[in-house]
Amino acid sequence: LAKTTQPISMDSYEGQEVNITCSHNNIATNDYITWYQQFPSQGPRFIIQGYKTKVTNEVASLFIPADRKSSTLSLPRVSLSDTAVYYCLVGPGYALNFGKGTSLLVTP
Amino acid sequence: DADVTQTPRNRITKTGKRIMLECSQTKGHDRMYWYRQDPGLGLRLIYYSFDVKDINKGEISDGYSVSRQAQAKFSLSLESAIPNQTALYFCATSDSGTGTNQPQHFGDGTRLSIL
Repeated sequence: LAKTTQPISMDSYEGQEVNITCSHNNIATNDYITWYQQFPSQGPRFIIQGYKTKVTNEVASLFIPADRKSSTLSLPRVSLSDTAVYYCLVGPGYALNFGKGTSLLVTP
Repeated sequence: DADVTQTPRNRITKTGKRIMLECSQTKGHDRMYWYRQDPGLGLRLIYYSFDVKDINKGEISDGYSVSRQAQAKFSLSLESAIPNQTALYFCATSDSGTGTNQPQHFGDGTRLSIL
């Protein structure tokens, strides 16, 4: 499985756009990129998934460059409730290790 | 996800005891997973099952065993619990679908403390 690297933590103010970048240099041709969100003492929740270019849903956008060696999760106008850990996973949608994720803290 | 139920939600027990954590789902998914989460270490995969007759070890299966009693039920056992198995345990499910990239749906977790 492709190894991923993402920042351990990030800070933001309410109302700002937050971009979390994940590196995955050895991504395989058939791999997808999936992001999850986890609040304290809750199970992770699927946010978005993509293969290439850009994917957008009601929660976030996912930008994937042509070489697919990285991806960026974009959260528009974050609120305090977006404080959570965000995990980037690469590979098939099963048997994945989530790693440590990025801890995002949003403050007023 | 309310469709993925873990029992018990909290458990405190002693070293050497046998413990079973249970997971049931009403999503109709054929794939189920067990993870553990330790502070600062993210989630690590213990076991996963693609159907009732298919069970596979994950990254940290030593000291654990599982049983897939039915499509909807997947239990995790600690045969002889030790303190370093104190953690938050999550069950997850996913659909096999038409591909292999179906997102996982998680239960609310079982907080296990071993004294």
